[in-house]
Amino acid sequence: QVQLQESGPGLVKPSGTLSLTCAVSGASISDNNWWSWIRQPPGKGLEWIGEIYHSGSTNYNPSLKSRVTISVDKSKNQFSLNLNSVTAADTAVYYCARNQGSEAGNWFDPWGQGTLVTVSS
Amino acid sequence: EIVLTQSPGTLSLSPGERATLSCRASQSVSNTYLAWYQQKPGQAPRLLIYGVSSRATGIPDRFSGSGSGTDFTLTISRLEPEDFAVYYCQQYGGSPLYTFGQGTKLEIK
Repeated sequence: QVQLQESGPGLVKPSGTLSLTCAVSGASISDNNWWSWIRQPPGKGLEWIGEIYHSGSTNYNPSLKSRVTISVDKSKNQFSLNLNSVTAADTAVYYCARNQGSEAGNWFDPWGQGTLVTVSS
Repeated sequence: EIVLTQSPGTLSLSPGERATLSCRASQSVSNTYLAWYQQKPGQAPRLLIYGVSSRATGIPDRFSGSGSGTDFTLTISRLEPEDFAVYYCQQYGGSPLYTFGQGTKLEIK
């Protein structure tokens, strides 16, 4: 089955750059799907960060657009998130997920297990 | 931005009871672009319902979704112990493309 696994530093300094990678197994990142990053601050709800298609096309949440870059590496079957100028407000569990869609809508399935990133000096 | 407001914030029920969770949108949700997720502590969200009323693979038929326009409902017909969790609705369309409700915590009474 399709599995996603996030990896990256668990601690980032304020004003630094948060960098995470999502490795995809059981499916090709070049399949007809978009791939997303979603985050969840401790004890709070979910926020969609952005998505990428294997062609490199991206869509971002306007609230984060100025600080976010999502990229894809087809040779490694993975995609990545960079978030710069981080503050404590960016502390969250970061999830990667596969977008699925049809005439019935668009949703996320499956999700990675998530990785906690703490912004602190 | 389409804001999704879930109610109640917390729902206290007993196993065997029926749960009704609400998700209200600030403007009409395009077509059937609404999904529901279940999240247990320390776990990633799990897709339950997509397209308003279609159950995801492996989801028991005690879970059902309904609604249209701005008002949507997730119903759990007979609560099992494993159903106590936080539930989120999610819509697609507009800007940002995807938004989530703030969640409803379903707890054991």
